[in-house]
Amino acid sequence: DVKVTQSSRYLVKRTGEKVFLECVQDMDHENMFWYRQDPGLGLRLIYFSYDVKMKEKGDIPEGYSVSREKKERFSLILESASTNQTSMYLCASSLPRLGGAFFGQGTRLTVV
Amino acid sequence: AQKVTQAQTEISVVEKEDVTLDCVYETRDTTYYLFWYKQPPSGELVFLIRRNSFDEQNEISGRYSWNFQKSTSSFNFTITASQVVDSAVYFCALSEAPSQGAQKLVFGQGTRLTINP
Repeated sequence: DVKVTQSSRYLVKRTGEKVFLECVQDMDHENMFWYRQDPGLGLRLIYFSYDVKMKEKGDIPEGYSVSREKKERFSLILESASTNQTSMYLCASSLPRLGGAFFGQGTRLTVV
Repeated sequence: AQKVTQAQTEISVVEKEDVTLDCVYETRDTTYYLFWYKQPPSGELVFLIRRNSFDEQNEISGRYSWNFQKSTSSFNFTITASQVVDSAVYFCALSEAPSQGAQKLVFGQGTRLTINP
């Protein structure tokens, strides 16, 4: 089975902190994604990567950056956390051109 | 631009009832994929089905069935004889079929389904 693991289930951070959300997948997938989920809005794509060191902006990249130094790991970085970044963050991975994705269990981030 | 609409925000039914979750999509692509995911209270999205745009056959998997109609741009999901364990948030999603690179999923807003005993 594909396993996508996010480092934390719950996080509480203070406004202005630099926050790292880590995601690791064990199926050698080329593609990795970061989404945020908010009530009534569904899932929205923040950033994605289709290869090591490659990244592309999704629909809502403002206030975020990403890092992919190794194929299996994709990190989401909140440079200076703000309260409007309180959300559920979901990481996913997939193979090229097959469509669909496998998701991690999510990280619920609260910024206070 | 691609868009997915799940007009039903919440549905509540009594166990053993049949329930249909609606999904309407918009895309200019002739080749695309449609998906359904289930998100139980634990939070992880669970893949249920993928359908490509050239395959309009309905699919049945146990108590689950899917009705894909290109004419109305809909991909509806029916649970027959619902059970309490079906309670979850269900997402419909759409992706393009690029020749290379990553396929991005566009999600609907989700439908929260509650099955009452």
